[in-house]
Amino acid sequence: SQQGEEDPQALSIQEGENATMNCSYKTSINNLQWYRQNSGRGLVHLILIRSNEREKHSGRLRVTLDTSKKSSSLLITASRAADTASYFCATGPSYTGTASKLTFGTGTRLQVTL
Amino acid sequence: GAGVSQSPRYKVTKRGQDVTLRCDPISSHATLYWYQQALGQGPEFLTYFNYEAQPDKSGLPSDRFSAERPEGSISTLTIQRTEQRDSAMYRCASSAGLAGGPGELFFGEGSRLTVL
Repeated sequence: SQQGEEDPQALSIQEGENATMNCSYKTSINNLQWYRQNSGRGLVHLILIRSNEREKHSGRLRVTLDTSKKSSSLLITASRAADTASYFCATGPSYTGTASKLTFGTGTRLQVTL
Repeated sequence: GAGVSQSPRYKVTKRGQDVTLRCDPISSHATLYWYQQALGQGPEFLTYFNYEAQPDKSGLPSDRFSAERPEGSISTLTIQRTEQRDSAMYRCASSAGLAGGPGELFFGEGSRLTVL
């Protein structure tokens, strides 16, 4: 079963605009990660935010985390055609251990047009 | 290796046959994950290994599915008596691990299984 749900399911914007996608999850987490997937290829890790962090930046990416609302958002600024892909959030449960299950959401399909 | 390698990339089989998929993770990575992904959906967790231990196999859909990682490196996912509903992309990922939780996963290109 999917832990997270992304919103919107699909998003179409023009190049240069910002894209915001949201993720809601159900159980307490240790960290939340975002991944990108191009046309059925393998998933690529974008960014990881820990449960005690509220915001994180990486290049044109900005991720926020609100553990009280069990939600996260991914903002891509100044989007490019190459950002066209599906984006997934993934959560790790809040129990100790060096490794654990990572559960993916349903994904947002982003289309960036010229 | 340089990345996560999966084989075969494509497998077509007849209903009732057994199939085995292979994953060769990044050599320094302790943790290995298997996911099943249907077209247009997110990856569904199947199981994971920490070295050769298999702490969680809660995502395996039935007892027809099994996974092994006997020496803590290469892993296989076996589906016995395949059914058409098993058709999907099977993705393997490895991770160096992170204290207190799952770290960044590195995915292979996947094995696409089609059951006729």
